[in-house]
Amino acid sequence: SQQGEEDPQALSIQEGENATMNCSYKTSINNLQWYRQNSGRGLVHLILIRSNEREKHSGRLRVTLDTSKKSSSLLITASRAADTASYFCATHGSSNTGKLIFGQGTTLQVKP
Amino acid sequence: GEEVAQTPKHLVRGEGQKAKLYCAPIKGHSYVFWYQQVLKNEFKFLISFQNENVFDETGMPKERFSAKCLPNSPCSLEIQATKLEDSAVYFCASSPPGGFRNEQFFGPGTRLTVL
Repeated sequence: SQQGEEDPQALSIQEGENATMNCSYKTSINNLQWYRQNSGRGLVHLILIRSNEREKHSGRLRVTLDTSKKSSSLLITASRAADTASYFCATHGSSNTGKLIFGQGTTLQVKP
Repeated sequence: GEEVAQTPKHLVRGEGQKAKLYCAPIKGHSYVFWYQQVLKNEFKFLISFQNENVFDETGMPKERFSAKCLPNSPCSLEIQATKLEDSAVYFCASSPPGGFRNEQFFGPGTRLTVL
């Protein structure tokens, strides 16, 4: 893949548990973004972390970035059934034109 | 508008037919991006615009794909002589002026089925 790997590819948890997804990328970055895609819908932007940031929080979301390992993780705490979706990380890679390069995605199922 | 609008929602074409997809970016946004998603997974970048100018077309299969963003009109992506492999969901996204590395706002997509 252009981006690298996301793992796991699929994750199934019970409501209330935490979910962690990981993403690796290949080139130097300006920022890394996480998006959610509900079944049959478009992508919704969740959070953007800049290359000089190590951690960022937004509600129940926590994102970390390790530029030395070229990896990021997304943690969803106290998951809900409504969090069931596919999650994608994206960077601009070496592009200077704004195009996003996406990971393969992690499909999360949260069981009520 | 406040959301990216894409039409039609679904499009079915016979192999060899033309397909045309439309996108209305969020009002005031300067950048428009088109992506292709096959099999619910990988997103492939096709083309981007800065206002009506092509910004990056490195992802476009140029022999059959073309796109435009003209003033006061929805942007369009056209596929001449569709092939089975063009079956995918096509997403349009826009982002505001002031930096093309901002978050992108995605439309709901157009599902193209080539029979």
